[in-house]
Amino acid sequence: QKEVEQDPGPLSVPEGAIVSLNCTYSNSAFQYFMWYRQYSRKGPELLMYTYSSGNKEDGRFTAQVDKSSKYISLFIRDSQPSDSATYLCAMRLTGGGNKLTFGTGTQLKVEL
Amino acid sequence: DTGVSQDPRHKITKRGQNVTFRCDPISEHNRLYWYRQTLGQGPEFLTYFQNEAQLEKSRLLSDRFSAERPKGSFSTLEIQRTEQGDSAMYLCASSSTSGRDEQFFGPGTRLTVL
Repeated sequence: QKEVEQDPGPLSVPEGAIVSLNCTYSNSAFQYFMWYRQYSRKGPELLMYTYSSGNKEDGRFTAQVDKSSKYISLFIRDSQPSDSATYLCAMRLTGGGNKLTFGTGTQLKVEL
Repeated sequence: DTGVSQDPRHKITKRGQNVTFRCDPISEHNRLYWYRQTLGQGPEFLTYFQNEAQLEKSRLLSDRFSAERPKGSFSTLEIQRTEQGDSAMYLCASSSTSGRDEQFFGPGTRLTVL
């Protein structure tokens, strides 16, 4: 079983929809949680960065972390065709090395 | 643009050949990371440097792989005697310990081993 599980999709939504993307994880020692967006054949782009549990909002994006359930989410409001990409969740421990552990990514398509 | 840069962007090689990739991190970022990403998967950690010291290596990094960061600035990743299973996107990221240590990625080097 992988440390981080993420539904690969693809997920197809109409323009303007609210998108919910999720990851679960098994290692309770993860403390930092990130969401990256990756367009085809490009490097990942950091979207959201959160520490421990709680919510963080940035424009149309909201990240939620529920450490008690080992579950993180990314919500995209008023989705646009330009949001079509693969969304990767990532997480890391506090101290003891800085490597990121990624999910497999969810492929999102926002259709006109 | 002062983001992470990688060279080359694409590399096609024959099995058994050696290849070397270069990564230039964001200026003044003291940490540099290498990841590998295969189709349909998330990036997997290979190794990371703090300044010129290589602090962690994944078990994925076989003896055929070597990474250096000689002056604490750019880094190279060399793969010797390439195998078809080495075909992947090789991603470099950098971060700064003086901030939140967020990792910013480069565009990657796509390796195809024939």
